[in-house]
Amino acid sequence: AQSVTQLGSHVSVSEGALVLLRCNYSSSVPPYLFWYVQYPNQGLQLLLKYTSAATLVKGINGFEAEFKKSETSFHLTKPSAHMSDAAEYFCAVVMNTGFQKLVFGTGTRLLVSP
Amino acid sequence: DAMVIQNPRYQVTQFGKPVTLSCSQTLNHNVMYWYQQKSSQAPKLLFHYYDKDFNNEADTPDNFQSRRPNTSFCFLDIRSPGLGDAAMYLCATSRDIVNTEAFFGQGTRLTVV
Repeated sequence: AQSVTQLGSHVSVSEGALVLLRCNYSSSVPPYLFWYVQYPNQGLQLLLKYTSAATLVKGINGFEAEFKKSETSFHLTKPSAHMSDAAEYFCAVVMNTGFQKLVFGTGTRLLVSP
Repeated sequence: DAMVIQNPRYQVTQFGKPVTLSCSQTLNHNVMYWYQQKSSQAPKLLFHYYDKDFNNEADTPDNFQSRRPNTSFCFLDIRSPGLGDAAMYLCATSRDIVNTEAFFGQGTRLTVV
């Protein structure tokens, strides 16, 4: 069964610092992977997705993620944090069970301080 | 420009009183999903419709039902809400079951009193 693990339920950075949110997947076949962002009391918004094309994926708001098969990782990065990046971030994998079901990680809350 | 619209954004219901949450979409997507998200947890899929075909997750309680009268609308019915059903309910759509780029609505936060 496919799943994702997000290391760190909370990550704190200063404004302007590098953002690194970690996601590791377990899958017996090459997966599709996604990062979603959720602002307080809002739905989820897709940041970026990996679908077996380029391993470095660029998304919205300056975020990017690199698929590393050797490390089974899909970490999310942003060179310079902005206050508006404070939110909950979810990594998700497609679970191949006939219909391709999204399975979410437990989420990482990003805190950005001035 | 909202593509997946959920109403209401906030719903308060009484313990045991049936409640219905609604979702509409302007994307003409075939698949509509309902997720439950409890505080500080990941979204959990309750069920989905592929066109008119309803697909229930194995661990979704019988208390939760859904209707999809047409392509654009989907409803979540909670027959007898308990305190444990208080959560954010997220509706999402995707073009197909193999294209899992899901588009989410803003969610409905349900409070049970």
